[in-house]
Amino acid sequence: TQLLEQSPQFLSIQEGENLTVYCNSSSVFSSLQWYRQEPGEGPVLLVTVVTGGEVKKLKRLTFQFGDARKDSSLHITAAQPGDTGLYLCAGTAYYNAGNNRKLIWGLGTSLAVNP
Amino acid sequence: GAVVSQHPSWVICKSGTSVKIECRSLDFQATTMFWYRQFPKQSLMLMATSNEGSKATYEQGVEKDKFLINHASLTLSTLTVTSAHPEDSSFYICSASPLSGVTDTQYFGPGTRLTVL
Repeated sequence: TQLLEQSPQFLSIQEGENLTVYCNSSSVFSSLQWYRQEPGEGPVLLVTVVTGGEVKKLKRLTFQFGDARKDSSLHITAAQPGDTGLYLCAGTAYYNAGNNRKLIWGLGTSLAVNP
Repeated sequence: GAVVSQHPSWVICKSGTSVKIECRSLDFQATTMFWYRQFPKQSLMLMATSNEGSKATYEQGVEKDKFLINHASLTLSTLTVTSAHPEDSSFYICSASPLSGVTDTQYFGPGTRLTVL
């Protein structure tokens, strides 16, 4: 069974601080996505990383995919109250001889940025 | 682009009734649609995967006779919760994966809040 361990599960920080969220697995993923979700809404895709070692930046957010494609991190610089939300990582797993795919989800990181 | 809608956004029903939730990809065609269930401040739990024109693949522990999924076209999938009970109350979210582009990517609907009295 493929698992994706996400940490920390909860994080409460002050505005202006930096933070990093980690997703780790013993399995290789063909790609990994990061989502942000606000209460009562569906997850919104932030980024998809595909290549081992890939780094993508989205304003103050930096995403990295591990060289072996087993882990990923999300780093937020100078967090703001608007960054508050649930951050989810998800890796693509293939099964049924590669004919089907599904996302393996981390448990999520609930981030609160206090003004 | 890549917009997914869900209808209704919320529904309250009596125990024993059935509820249908629609999921539509508005500006793209989806090979595959996924249905998830989510409890407060928890991650998404995949219920089933549906491909257009074929039977849905249900995850272990999900009753296929209780959660009926129909994927009639490349832009529409429906989830029917049959004989709903209070324990079925949850946030149900669908996602769709485009025919073209980065096929690993899923785009999510806004979710449907189901409350069973």
